[in-house]
Amino acid sequence: EAGVAQSPRYKIIEKRQSVAFWCNPISGHATLYWYQQILGQGPKLLIQFQNNGVVDDSQLPKDRFSAERLKGVDSTLKIQPAKLEDSAVYLCASSLRVVSNEQFFGPGTRLTVL
Amino acid sequence: AQSVTQLDSQVPVFEEAPVELRCNYSSSVSVYLFWYVQYPNQGLQLLLKYLSGSTLVESINGFEAEFNKSQTSFHLRKPSVHISDTAEYFCAVRAQRDDKIIFGKGTRLHILP
Repeated sequence: EAGVAQSPRYKIIEKRQSVAFWCNPISGHATLYWYQQILGQGPKLLIQFQNNGVVDDSQLPKDRFSAERLKGVDSTLKIQPAKLEDSAVYLCASSLRVVSNEQFFGPGTRLTVL
Repeated sequence: AQSVTQLDSQVPVFEEAPVELRCNYSSSVSVYLFWYVQYPNQGLQLLLKYLSGSTLVESINGFEAEFNKSQTSFHLRKPSVHISDTAEYFCAVRAQRDDKIIFGKGTRLHILP
C-alpha cells in the first residue's frame, strides 16, 4: 500500500513570502495530522483533521498558518507571511480513526526561510 | 498534560556493541508509549509500542523497550547495533483517552565503525 505522500520535499523562501505544502494520506485514513519539527526538537502537532473537520488546532499559529482538507482526503498547509522561525520540517501523518494507536508519517517538507 | 524527556541528544556507540536510549515520561493519567525512528531524509516510522500486557515489547529488528511504571521510564535497548541503525530515535507518549501524541526531543544514534 502506498504511504503518505508530501510535496514539495524542499522549499526555500524569503521572509514575508507565502508557501504551501501538500499532503496525500494513506487511502482510507480518516484522520490527518500536520506536525512542525524544528531542528533539534521532536515533532509538534499543529493541526488534526477527522475527515474534513478540525479536531485540534490549539497549537496552530492562526495569524499566519492555515490548513484545509476540503474533501476529507488531501490537505494543504499554508504559511502567509513566513518568518525566519518557521524554518523547520513539516510532517504530515495519517491514521485510520481518531483513537488509533499508530500514525503513519510522510517524508516531510523541509522549509528554509531566509 | 503529558511530557517526555530524552536526556541524551546524541549517543555514540561502536558497531556490535549494546546500546540503551533513555526515555522518561510524565503523566497524571494512563498512557500508551511509543518509540519512533527517523532515518536520514525520511519520515518517522513506528519502531515499537506499549499498549498493555507484557511490559517488555520488541521490534522486528532487534530493539526492545521495557515499560517501568514506578520509574516512569520506557528505555530502548539493543544488544548489538549495526551501522544501519544510524538514525534519530523519538520516544512518545499518548494519553489512553485521546489521540494526541507528545514527542521527546529525540536521540541521535551514531554507530562508530
